[in-house]
Amino acid sequence: KQEVTQIPAALSVPEGENLVLNCSFTDSAIYNLQWFRQDPGKGLTSLLLIQSSQREQTSGRLNASLDKSSGRSTLYIAASQPGDSATYLCAVKGTNAGKSTFGDGTTLTVKP
Amino acid sequence: GAVVSQHPSWVICKSGTSVKIECRSLDFQATTMFWYRQFPKQSLMLMATSNEGSKATYEQGVEKDKFLINHASLTLSTLTVTSAHPEDSSFYICSAPTIAGGLADTQYFGPGTRLTVL
Repeated sequence: KQEVTQIPAALSVPEGENLVLNCSFTDSAIYNLQWFRQDPGKGLTSLLLIQSSQREQTSGRLNASLDKSSGRSTLYIAASQPGDSATYLCAVKGTNAGKSTFGDGTTLTVKP
Repeated sequence: GAVVSQHPSWVICKSGTSVKIECRSLDFQATTMFWYRQFPKQSLMLMATSNEGSKATYEQGVEKDKFLINHASLTLSTLTVTSAHPEDSSFYICSAPTIAGGLADTQYFGPGTRLTVL
């Protein structure tokens, strides 16, 4: 059974800092990994999708990497802004059924 | 891009009543949809996989008679919480992959439905 862990659970940084969120998973046989953002009381917004054959994906100030062999992914946020404050979830999609297993999330607070 | 909608966005009901939540893929067909539940300050937990034209597949510990799922068409799945109780109060989110349950695709999530049972 796939287990996904996100560290840290919460993170508070001053505006402008670069930061890294971590996601680890126990079963390396994955098809893709997706990073989401969730604002309080809201649904999910997809940030980046990394296929199992890829090593990283970039979108604006966001960069996600994937190391399947070690069961790890990182989300790098450059020059953080108060608007980046949210909970960040990673989800791993397995090799069958197409369902996703989510981590518990990292709640990020960027202080002005 | 692909869009998934949910209705209603929030609902308050009395204990013992049933509540139906709809999940629609607006510009693509989805033979498979997934229903998740999220309790406050917790992550999303998969409840069941909804399959168009066949029975849903429920995760361990999820009561299929309490959470009725109907995938009536290629763009609509419904989740009915029967005889709802306060412990069923949660945030319910559906998702649909863009390629009929295919593996190399993106999951698009609905905005969620917040259910409060009094």
